[in-house]
Amino acid sequence: ELKVEQNPLFLSMQEGKNYTIYCNYSTTSDRLYWYRQDPGKSLESLFVLLSNGAVKQEGRLMASLDTKARLSTLHITAAVHDLSATYFCAVRYTGNQFYFGTGTSLTVIP
Amino acid sequence: DTAVSQTPKYLVTQMGNDKSIKCEQNLGHDTMYWYKQDSKKFLKIMFSYNNKELIINETVPNRFSPKSPDKAHLNLHINSLELGDSAVYFCASNWGTGGNTIYFGEGSWLTVV
Repeated sequence: ELKVEQNPLFLSMQEGKNYTIYCNYSTTSDRLYWYRQDPGKSLESLFVLLSNGAVKQEGRLMASLDTKARLSTLHITAAVHDLSATYFCAVRYTGNQFYFGTGTSLTVIP
Repeated sequence: DTAVSQTPKYLVTQMGNDKSIKCEQNLGHDTMYWYKQDSKKFLKIMFSYNNKELIINETVPNRFSPKSPDKAHLNLHINSLELGDSAVYFCASNWGTGGNTIYFGEGSWLTVV
């Protein structure tokens, strides 16, 4: 059974702190995606990770991929309130099927 | 111009009714999807079409019927609506080959009462 799991499901962190969200998937895949969803809004693409060891950074967010461990991380550096949102990872499987993780709801508090 | 647009954005309807949600993309993509997001924000793929052909049909009640008149449109018709159908339905699209990122519409909030 295909599974894409994220942890934690809920994360409350103070401004200025660092934290990491983890995404584990059960079956080999060559593509890993990170999305952001603000409350009541659509999903916005953040990163696409294409190969083992890939690392991408945008502002305070950095994503990495370890295909051997079937693990991706989304690292948040010096969090600010604007980063409060729900973050999803997604994995592409055969036949262009995208399966999404359970989501991590992030709240950054002053 | 909105890349992936859905209508209606909000829909409140009674149990047993039939309703449709329409989706159009102007990105020139060849693959379109319907996803369902439940109250816990869990996203589940329902259908995928590539160039008007059904590619993915996950375990979805046959009350849900997608229709793709052309590769820029993918509509979702739901018969005999049930309380459990209440959710946000997202249309999305991408280039099917190469595993390019999916672009999502704004979502359609369906409430069945």
